[in-house]
Amino acid sequence: RKEVEQDPGPFNVPEGATVAFNCTYSNSASQSFFWYRQDCRKEPKLLMSVYSSGNEDGRFTAQLNRASQYISLLIRDSKLSDSATYLCVVSSNTGKLIFGQGTTLQVKP
Amino acid sequence: ETGVTQTPRHLVMGMTNKKSLKCEQHLGHNAMYWYKQSAKKPLELMFVYNFKEQTENNSVPSRFSPECPNSSHLFLHLHTLQPEDSALYLCASSQGRGGDYGYTFGSGTRLTVV
Repeated sequence: RKEVEQDPGPFNVPEGATVAFNCTYSNSASQSFFWYRQDCRKEPKLLMSVYSSGNEDGRFTAQLNRASQYISLLIRDSKLSDSATYLCVVSSNTGKLIFGQGTTLQVKP
Repeated sequence: ETGVTQTPRHLVMGMTNKKSLKCEQHLGHNAMYWYKQSAKKPLELMFVYNFKEQTENNSVPSRFSPECPNSSHLFLHLHTLQPEDSALYLCASSQGRGGDYGYTFGSGTRLTVV
């Protein structure tokens, strides 16, 4: 089983849609969780941290379910500029970060 | 300059050449990383340095040789590469192991081996 698993997609959605990505992780001892965004041919950039209580940043909501070992990212009112690959990131036992393969989102006009 | 800076942005090299990639971080972080990302593939961790000591080498071929003279600078020396080594090479840094604030990435060096 992969340490961090994501559906690679692509997710094709119209502008204004709500889209959700899930990510599962194998290490129940993981303590830190993040979502990164990577645009085509660019470096990954931190989108948001994921806290146990869930957190929201504008149109983006991240949630953590420790019991089921999954993380979600919800994007409301999708914009064309949201088109990118979204990487789920989880800490290992040693604290090192493990990156998922990413989920590609294409928002269409 | 701020953040993590990588040079060069693009590099084309022959299989017999020797070149070096440079990374510099201005964030006061103590850990630095080299990642490889091939087209449409996930990030592959290559090397980890913590306080300029190498703490991880993920079975990387010896034609890739890292160097970390201090906590702010990281190099990747390249020699006798193969065409399949063509990829985006990303440097990252973090405070501690990255659990609090994640990693900050440089813009990468896009390497083409001909």
